[in-house]
Amino acid sequence: KAGVTQTPRYLIKTRGQQVTLSCSPISGHRSVSWYQQTPGQGLQFLFEYFSETQRNKGNFPGRFSGRQFSNSRSEMNVSTLELGDSALYLCASSLGDRVAYEQYFGPGTRLTVT
Amino acid sequence: QKEVEQDPGPLSVPEGAIVSLNCTYSNSAFQYFMWYRQYSRKGPELLMYTYSSGNKEDGRFTAQVDKSSKYISLFIRDSQPSDSATYLCAMIRGFQKLVFGTGTRLLVSP
Repeated sequence: KAGVTQTPRYLIKTRGQQVTLSCSPISGHRSVSWYQQTPGQGLQFLFEYFSETQRNKGNFPGRFSGRQFSNSRSEMNVSTLELGDSALYLCASSLGDRVAYEQYFGPGTRLTVT
Repeated sequence: QKEVEQDPGPLSVPEGAIVSLNCTYSNSAFQYFMWYRQYSRKGPELLMYTYSSGNKEDGRFTAQVDKSSKYISLFIRDSQPSDSATYLCAMIRGFQKLVFGTGTRLLVSP
């Protein structure tokens, strides 16, 4: 069974631009969660989508948004990029129909904002 | 104060040593406790999960949860250089979000 895939793996953007990241979950998984990982803050939860609906949301500004498609693939968007948005963005998938203690992570997208 | 506290390390041990990694937490509502391993430039990989208090063993790894003390541990026996990675604890309650510790960097020298 294929794992979680994320594209692109690396991105360089400039301040003020926007970016869209993509995540394809493990086949059969209906929940996708997004995380931001930085050396100082560790892994911070952005949001979770289950069956095309946002089920949980972290404490990030509205510039961070996401969506999920009917095939469970998910995208997250960051508008008006700031230098502090430079991070590794990880998505994780799980079955979603029970407590998500078994989340499987993709390799991440490393975003650099200059 | 963070919900989950974890010493960032690095923790350096010789090959063959027993490693103890720990996390403390403040929210007694957490039900499931997980340990993830993350190699450099990779996503976290789920190692083990435990429900409520008790021990769980998987090969060289043992996870321990003490809910009365709000303290969880991961023990690695006969540590190998390939165990060198960052270890993240995580916990969850109900259908809420996973809450992670900041991770402990482990270095196992040959």
